[in-house]
Amino acid sequence: EVQLVQSGAEVKKPGESLKISCQGSGYNFVSHWIGWVRQVPGKGLEWMGIIFPADSDTRYSPSFEGQVTISADKSINTAYLEWSSLKASDTAMYFCAKLERYQDAFDVWGQGSLVTVSS
Amino acid sequence: DIQMTQSPSSLSASLGDRVSITCRASETISDYLAWYQQKPGQVPKLLIFAASTLQSGVPSRFSGSGSGTDFTLTISGLQPEDVATYYCQKYDSAPQTFGQGTKVEIK
Repeated sequence: EVQLVQSGAEVKKPGESLKISCQGSGYNFVSHWIGWVRQVPGKGLEWMGIIFPADSDTRYSPSFEGQVTISADKSINTAYLEWSSLKASDTAMYFCAKLERYQDAFDVWGQGSLVTVSS
Repeated sequence: DIQMTQSPSSLSASLGDRVSITCRASETISDYLAWYQQKPGQVPKLLIFAASTLQSGVPSRFSGSGSGTDFTLTISGLQPEDVATYYCQKYDSAPQTFGQGTKVEIK
């Protein structure tokens, strides 16, 4: 079974750093793009960016470029989303999801990681 | 960047009704268009890709149409389990933007 399992909920203070993870199983992880999607409570889905684990080719939304870092460790089938200095406005649910190829829809989703940033 | 605009933002319909949601791209995206369903408190689920291809396991009352800039998701015979927010997404190139969502409720 193809699965994406994300790390658990986090509560952080403004200015702190954070790295959340998404581990894939049941498919050839390195050969499929993985993306990150933000959902602020009560709001819609926002596409943040995608990475190709085989060579770490990464594409960002202009809205998120410079605000987060997307990376992957193909040796452990895991993608990451990282912040160096969190803001209260980063409070959201973050989903990872895989694509079959670059020009494709997200066919499998992780369960989501809730990030709460509060002083 | 290409913008995706959905309408309406919400709708209320009776059980068994035919419901349509539209999605318009600010530039042509061929048929690189997907539709997702997100029920309250759940993870989004892929319904349709390539504008009109039903994902495996999705009920046949869901259908998609369109190409270029104008697309439609239709639910033929609204069921209680269809209460959800529906999103379109373009995936021709990055950024693979989502529409703002359409909330579907039962009247």
